[in-house]
Amino acid sequence: GAVVSQHPSRVICKSGTSVKIECRSLDFQATTMFWYRQFPKQSLMLMATSNEGSKATYEQGVEKDKFLINHASLTLSTLTVTSAHPEDSSFYICSARDVTGYSSYEQYFGPGTRLTVT
Amino acid sequence: QKEVEQNSGPLSVPEGAIASLNCTYSDRGSQSFFWYRQYSGKSPELIMFIYSNGDKEDGRFTAQLNKASQYVSLLIRDSQPSDSATYLCAVNIQGGSEKLVFGKGTKLTVNP
Repeated sequence: GAVVSQHPSRVICKSGTSVKIECRSLDFQATTMFWYRQFPKQSLMLMATSNEGSKATYEQGVEKDKFLINHASLTLSTLTVTSAHPEDSSFYICSARDVTGYSSYEQYFGPGTRLTVT
Repeated sequence: QKEVEQNSGPLSVPEGAIASLNCTYSDRGSQSFFWYRQYSGKSPELIMFIYSNGDKEDGRFTAQLNKASQYVSLLIRDSQPSDSATYLCAVNIQGGSEKLVFGKGTKLTVNP
C-alpha cells in the first residue's frame, strides 16, 4: 500500500517553456500532498503544501506564480513550472499523506522527476 | 526556525557491523519522528517511525527516541552493502501543521 507515482520521470525542456509534473496516489486518497525540490548533494526543500480543493500553501521564498500547483482530486496533484530557466533544473519530488496511516504525519514519496532546462 | 540536525558523514562501517545514525531537533513540541532512506538519484523511502520514548525495533533496524534530550537515532544491525545510502531524519512541526522538517542526511557506506 501507500504507493505514489510521478510523471514524467525525466524531462528536458527549453528555457522559457512550461513543464507540468503529475503526482498520483495509487492506492489511497491523499487530501494533502507536498512538493519538494532537491539539488545535488543537498537535502529536500519543501516548496509547497497542496490541499485537495483549496489553494496551495507555499513556503517562504517560493514564487507561487512560477510554480503553479493544482490539487483537483483526492489522488492527483500537479506542479507546473512556468517560464522555466536553467536554475530551475532540479529533482522535483512529491509526497502524499496517507490519512489512514498510524500517524497523520506519515508521508510517502513518489519516484521524483528530474527536470533539466536548457 | 525549526531545525533538524544530522552529522553529514560520510559514515563508513564494515559489512556485518552496527551502523549508528544520530539526529537532534529543536522543536520540543515535536511528536512524530521518521527515518527515510534515499539511494543516489532516487526519492526517499520511509523505513521507520517512532512516537514514544524508548526503542522501536523492526528487523535489523532500531529507532531510539529521547524527547528530553531531543534526540533520535537509528541503529542498523548486521549492516549490508545494500544499506549504503543517505539516511534522512524527519520531524513534524508542532502546532497542527502537517509538514515535516528534514535533516540534511547522513551518508552511510557499508564496505564489503
